[in-house]
Amino acid sequence: NAGVTQTPKFRVLKTGQSMTLLCAQDMNHEYMYWYRQDPGMGLRLIHYSVGEGTTAKGEVPDGYNVSRLKKQNFLLGLESAAPSQTSVYFCASNPGLAGGPTDTQYFGPGTRLTVL
Amino acid sequence: KQEVTQIPAALSVPEGENLVLNCSFTDSAIYNLQWFRQDPGKGLTSLLLIQSSQREQTSGRLNASLDKSSGRSTLYIAASQPGDSATYLCAVSNTGTASKLTFGTGTRLQVTL
Repeated sequence: NAGVTQTPKFRVLKTGQSMTLLCAQDMNHEYMYWYRQDPGMGLRLIHYSVGEGTTAKGEVPDGYNVSRLKKQNFLLGLESAAPSQTSVYFCASNPGLAGGPTDTQYFGPGTRLTVL
Repeated sequence: KQEVTQIPAALSVPEGENLVLNCSFTDSAIYNLQWFRQDPGKGLTSLLLIQSSQREQTSGRLNASLDKSSGRSTLYIAASQPGDSATYLCAVSNTGTASKLTFGTGTRLQVTL
């Protein structure tokens, strides 16, 4: 049981390049999330999904797109990277409606992205 | 919009001291509140989760309390150890929001020998 995994762990991009971050979970969770963490600003929600085939915007969605084609995977895409997207990206999952108020979110190890 | 504040931003204590970390939130219609630990360059580890109907949770040397009406939670760490050095994050999910978390900016704790 690997929990939540993220690929890649590190990446350096040039402004204007594109990339996709992959999140995978093996806990059969319904809900999945992408957060970014910046110094002094805590973690902020980018996009989330409440089930296969669904996505929704979070607090800071501009410049990002997501897809949830399979229940276990949640992809975060940057179409044209900007230096402001330099950050650490965390994926998380939660059982969803099948769970309840005792269910914590499980976080991946993070992807450190630098955009030059 | 839910806002979460953590005070202090940083704290340094000698080993063995008991300490309290504070978290406040603006919207009391919460589903649950969680405390996480984050080591430098690492992911988040869940420490304690308090449901909105609960007043406190305990795990080992950690005790978290919740006062929903005043919008406050505290994390009490007893007999601190150097291994407790990390950043502690408070996060709140609101009712009916798909368990999305709103995070505070964290308290960076250093426990010295």
